[in-house]
Amino acid sequence: DAKTTQPPSMDCAEGRAANLPCNHSTISGNEYVYWYRQIHSQGPQYIIHGLKNNETNEMASLIITEDRKSSTLILPHATLRDTAVYYCIVRVITDKLIFGTGTRLQVFP
Amino acid sequence: DVKVTQSSRYLVKRTGEKVFLECVQDMDHENMFWYRQDPGLGLRLIYFSYDVKMKEKGDIPEGYSVSREKKERFSLILESASTNQTSMYLCASSWGAGANVLTFGAGSRLTVL
Repeated sequence: DAKTTQPPSMDCAEGRAANLPCNHSTISGNEYVYWYRQIHSQGPQYIIHGLKNNETNEMASLIITEDRKSSTLILPHATLRDTAVYYCIVRVITDKLIFGTGTRLQVFP
Repeated sequence: DVKVTQSSRYLVKRTGEKVFLECVQDMDHENMFWYRQDPGLGLRLIYFSYDVKMKEKGDIPEGYSVSREKKERFSLILESASTNQTSMYLCASSWGAGANVLTFGAGSRLTVL
């Protein structure tokens, strides 16, 4: 299973784009990149996932490098409500998710 | 929106008690999961189920059992609660082919005294 490396914490000003990096240099061809977040005292929330193409939904954009060894989750206009722990997970679609310790994003006014 | 509802937000139990944590989802999802979350350890998978009356062990099943008699309900059972089972318990569900797109409940914080 591919391991992921995320910075333990990041700050972002409200209204600016938050770019959360994830390194997964040992990713294999059939492994997807998933992003979840967990706001304090709540269960994790699915954000987005992708295999090799960039993806966008109403919450965020996922940019995966061409060699698939890293990815970036982009929150285009961060708000205070985006303060959370963000998890990057790399898994084959049929395998259960394993959550690491993630990146604690603090959005400040 | 898919809703995953966990019956109790906070529970306090005594060592040796039998504890039931209930989880109900309302979107006809095939897959259901139980995780526990502890500081510094992240989320760890206890049990999961891909169908009614079916269950599989996750990474830390010891001390737990589960029941899935109906598709929408997945129960976690602590036969004899111990203090090291004090934790946040999270239930999640997903549809068949999208197994890793999970919808989580709000969590049940269990304290065992």
